[in-house]
Amino acid sequence: NSKVIQTPRYLVKGQGQKAKMRCIPEKGHPVVFWYQQNKNNEFKFLINFQNQEVLQQIDMTEKRFSAECPSNSPCSLEIQSSEAGDSALYLCASSLPQISNERLFFGHGTKLSVL
Amino acid sequence: QQKVQQSPESLSVPEGGMASLNCTSSDRNFQYFWWYRQHSGEGPKALMSIFSDGDKKEGRFTAHLNKASLHVSLHIRDSQPSDSALYFCAASEPAGGYKVVFGSGTRLLVSP
Repeated sequence: NSKVIQTPRYLVKGQGQKAKMRCIPEKGHPVVFWYQQNKNNEFKFLINFQNQEVLQQIDMTEKRFSAECPSNSPCSLEIQSSEAGDSALYLCASSLPQISNERLFFGHGTKLSVL
Repeated sequence: QQKVQQSPESLSVPEGGMASLNCTSSDRNFQYFWWYRQHSGEGPKALMSIFSDGDKKEGRFTAHLNKASLHVSLHIRDSQPSDSALYFCAASEPAGGYKVVFGSGTRLLVSP
């Protein structure tokens, strides 16, 4: 059973609408990753955090994607203006600090459908 | 662009058979490898890691790493229908790196 909790499991939005999904990492895990998994099952790294600070992120030049991991609150990933191409499974994962290459613990994901 | 390639794309084995999955990295910075399994409707779950050349065995699963050729493989002995899933190879840089790159996946079907 996943100890990384993602909500909602399913999200349906119209084009141009805002889409927001949340993730509660496993207790004690300071590192959080967001990945997008497309219909071909390919993973695209989006962003990761250690505690509240961004470690790495893709070039979100479209600025449609934003993410944060505030203290004492769930992490979140938000798409400001959804497009059909954003339809995918959004996976959140957490881990211990990658000092010895810890495994990632994934949630069930949020399946976004943009109509 | 750093990539991790997997083969085959799909694999079908009979129950009790051996399944062999392959993974090749195109970047020598990737030194650490994990295998993940994803059942339908779930997130991926880590199976096992391999960081050193040679074989590593955990139950029915054996991973093999050849750093010179950047090739990793996963062998599943006595395959069970419950092993039917997507399998991903994930590669990362040496300690302190937070970049984890996933391969394209292999879909395994174990038929009773």
